[in-house]
Amino acid sequence: GAGVSQSPSNKVTEKGKDVELRCDPISGHTALYWYRQRLGQGLEFLIYFQGNSAPDKSGLPSDRFSAERTGESVSTLTIQRTQQEDSAVYLCASSFGTVYEQYFGPGTRLTVT
Amino acid sequence: SQQGEEDPQALSIQEGENATMNCSYKTSINNLQWYRQNSGRGLVHLILIRSNEREKHSGRLRVTLDTSKKSSSLLITASRAADTASYFCAPQPRSYNTDKLIFGTGTRLQVFP
Repeated sequence: GAGVSQSPSNKVTEKGKDVELRCDPISGHTALYWYRQRLGQGLEFLIYFQGNSAPDKSGLPSDRFSAERTGESVSTLTIQRTQQEDSAVYLCASSFGTVYEQYFGPGTRLTVT
Repeated sequence: SQQGEEDPQALSIQEGENATMNCSYKTSINNLQWYRQNSGRGLVHLILIRSNEREKHSGRLRVTLDTSKKSSSLLITASRAADTASYFCAPQPRSYNTDKLIFGTGTRLQVFP
């Protein structure tokens, strides 16, 4: 079946604008994760959705960042009033849930000018 | 920090040689996972080793886990140029209420033909 997909693959935006990043997980996966990866760095956890449980938002860096997930399907990560330090690759992953491996999408490269 | 810490940060070897990467972490874990990342985009899951396992094999990959030392190692035997990538360990802390993974900063492996 299809893997995790993300759109857009690249996004260039001006400082101060809002952006929405989309993730379509693998069908049947109850868990969905968002990560941020700055150039040459490791993955920084942002937020985690698991079924109908309250999401774990402990990794969101500021209140400019928010994410939604519709049931067990698509998720959107929204960054309001973008700043240059938001420039990074945003990666989405999904899994069957507890103690299972994560399947990653190709990421969205965000550049804030 | 509860994330995995990979060592070395960078490794260069010739084709045919073995590559060993190490990971240390600080908390009790449910499992520890290794991932590979090519070209700074999506990660690919390699191996998941559970806390009650000591060693696991997958093709040319061998992972060990020593929970008493809170460490793991990834061995790639008979390396190939195609193994050139960044490798991340991701322990899943038992102390968390959610099932997120905590990624380290990775080991950049370069295999020369």
